[in-house]
Amino acid sequence: QKEVEQNSGPLSVPEGAIASLNCTYSDRGSQSFFWYRQYSGKSPELIMFIYSNGDKEDGRFTAQLNKASQYVSLLIRDSQPSDSATYLCAVNSGYSTLTFGKGTMLLVSP
Amino acid sequence: GAGVSQTPSNKVTEKGKYVELRCDPISGHTALYWYRQSLGQGPEFLIYFQGTGAADDSGLPNDRFFAVRPEGSVSTLKIQRTERGDSAVYLCASSNEGGHEQFFGPGTRLTVL
Repeated sequence: QKEVEQNSGPLSVPEGAIASLNCTYSDRGSQSFFWYRQYSGKSPELIMFIYSNGDKEDGRFTAQLNKASQYVSLLIRDSQPSDSATYLCAVNSGYSTLTFGKGTMLLVSP
Repeated sequence: GAGVSQTPSNKVTEKGKYVELRCDPISGHTALYWYRQSLGQGPEFLIYFQGTGAADDSGLPNDRFFAVRPEGSVSTLKIQRTERGDSAVYLCASSNEGGHEQFFGPGTRLTVL
């Protein structure tokens, strides 16, 4: 059974701080990793993907992957109230389907 | 429109009835996925189409669920003899052939009374 684990939160950070969201996965054969943002009542929106060990930066977002530890993280710099949402970690294990975690709720207070 | 569209946005039905949910993927996307999401959970994979064929239907929970994509574009998810436990948001996503970046539609909220 492929599993993706996330802390459900909520993770509360003040505006302007760095938010750190974490995810672990069980399948060592996993090849690609995704972070989706989901606002309440809306569908998931892809914000980052990462395939290789290390860091990948895109604007205020940095995805970090450590395959040896089976760990993926998302850092959001200069957090804004508009970043308040649930962040879903998803893992692809070599086929096209995604296995999602339950998501971490992020609350950014003004 | 440029994105994935799904109809209806909401569907309320009674236990035991049959429902059809429709997904229109992004133009040119050959891969289409169905997921369902219950409250407080992440999306759960149901079925994946590459073109007209179901490449992976391992996520369908039982034989009451069936999906088709006859012309390789629009897909319909069909649920027979609905049960209250089928209530969820049904999400459709599409991607380019070989692409891992899946783009989701707005979902259909199914409520079985």
